[in-house]
Amino acid sequence: DAGVIQSPRHEVTEMGQEVTLRCKPISGHDYLFWYRQTMMRGLELLIYFNNNVPIDDSGMPEDRFSAKMPNASFSTLKIQPSEPRDSAVYFCASSGLAGGNEQFFGPGTRLTVL
Amino acid sequence: TQLLEQSPQFLSIQEGENLTVYCNSSSVFSSLQWYRQEPGEGPVLLVTVVTGGEVKKLKRLTFQFGDARKDSSLHITAAQPGDTGLYLCAGGASGGSYIPTFGRGTSLIVHP
Repeated sequence: DAGVIQSPRHEVTEMGQEVTLRCKPISGHDYLFWYRQTMMRGLELLIYFNNNVPIDDSGMPEDRFSAKMPNASFSTLKIQPSEPRDSAVYFCASSGLAGGNEQFFGPGTRLTVL
Repeated sequence: TQLLEQSPQFLSIQEGENLTVYCNSSSVFSSLQWYRQEPGEGPVLLVTVVTGGEVKKLKRLTFQFGDARKDSSLHITAAQPGDTGLYLCAGGASGGSYIPTFGRGTSLIVHP
């Protein structure tokens, strides 16, 4: 298995632009998580899905952030409009009952908003 | 919200030294995990501890879960440059889906 796949790996954009981050979880995993990591706040859970359904989005910072999971093999995190304070590394992770409680993380997307 | 405090925040040591990092909370966890994150990559699970007082060893790494299941420690013996990375602890509550809360991590640098 290729593991969790994220794209793009790096994104540089200007304030006000729309940003879309993509994630392909490990096949068979029924949980998908989106995290944001910064030096100041560490690893923050933004939202998680179970069987493609959003369960808890209380970590989403504000309405500019949205996430979807149209099927079991694809999820997006969208920021519109982006702001400089959104600059961070965004991780997608997946897990499944068969693997216990281990979360498998993707390599992350480093987002820079100028 | 269950908070996990990790200490120290940063650690810079020489190859061959021993070190211990800590993960503390006022909450009780059903299990606790340790992840290591290398630069430019996502965290990778090292170990999960589930029983109060449990000790697990992974080569030169020794993990311990506190008796009350509120804290944990990671001890590295004879650290090597390959141990460099961010060590994150994550705790989950019992019942329902296991959604871990992560600490902010200990950043370790081992100099050759």
